[in-house]
Amino acid sequence: EAQVTQNPRYLITVTGKKLTVTCSQNMNHEYMSWYRQDPGLGLRQIYYSMNVEVTDKGDVPEGYKVSRKEKRNFPLILESPSPNQTSLYFCASSFDIGYGYTFGSGTRLTVV
Amino acid sequence: DQQVKQNSPSLSVQEGRISILNCDYTNSMFDYFLWYKKYPAEGPTFLISISSIKDKNEDGRFTVFLNKSAKHLSLHIVPSQPGDSAVYFCAASSMNRDDKIIFGKGTRLHILP
Repeated sequence: EAQVTQNPRYLITVTGKKLTVTCSQNMNHEYMSWYRQDPGLGLRQIYYSMNVEVTDKGDVPEGYKVSRKEKRNFPLILESPSPNQTSLYFCASSFDIGYGYTFGSGTRLTVV
Repeated sequence: DQQVKQNSPSLSVQEGRISILNCDYTNSMFDYFLWYKKYPAEGPTFLISISSIKDKNEDGRFTVFLNKSAKHLSLHIVPSQPGDSAVYFCAASSMNRDDKIIFGKGTRLHILP
């Protein structure tokens, strides 16, 4: 089944403790992206990647890092999480940047 | 500055009636528009799209209308069903410029029994 898989689904962590949210897609998509969804703000893009080893900042990149060493994986790294990064995170992929995306099921992160 | 605007945070519609969700955009370079549907605890799923060369696209109960001169699009759901209760995101991109998709803030649709 074609899908985008994120892990974990839920995570509670403490301020400053580094964490990684994994994202993997099995559709051989070139384009991958991370979004966060917050009440009243909709989906905001954090980082995106056009291809392996090519990453770019989205609208809200501060406090996040990403890597794209392989086509299928696009992990989101929070080096020193803070409470304002408490949010619902979605990974998405597409065969091209402007076409319809396939989203993962989301990761609900709480930073205390 | 918001390039894609969904001005109604929520909308309630009686089951069986028509649901109309609206979306406005400001960037005249946008030429491809999409609607996504999102249930709680799930990722958004692609619903329907329209290219700027068309003014209407229909898929079953869902129809998207595009008014380029007004920079406005709308999603019509007829008839509305309980399973349509969800958050709907409007999105736009510029295929010619190879730009990313920009999302609106979403509209929560409640279908009333």
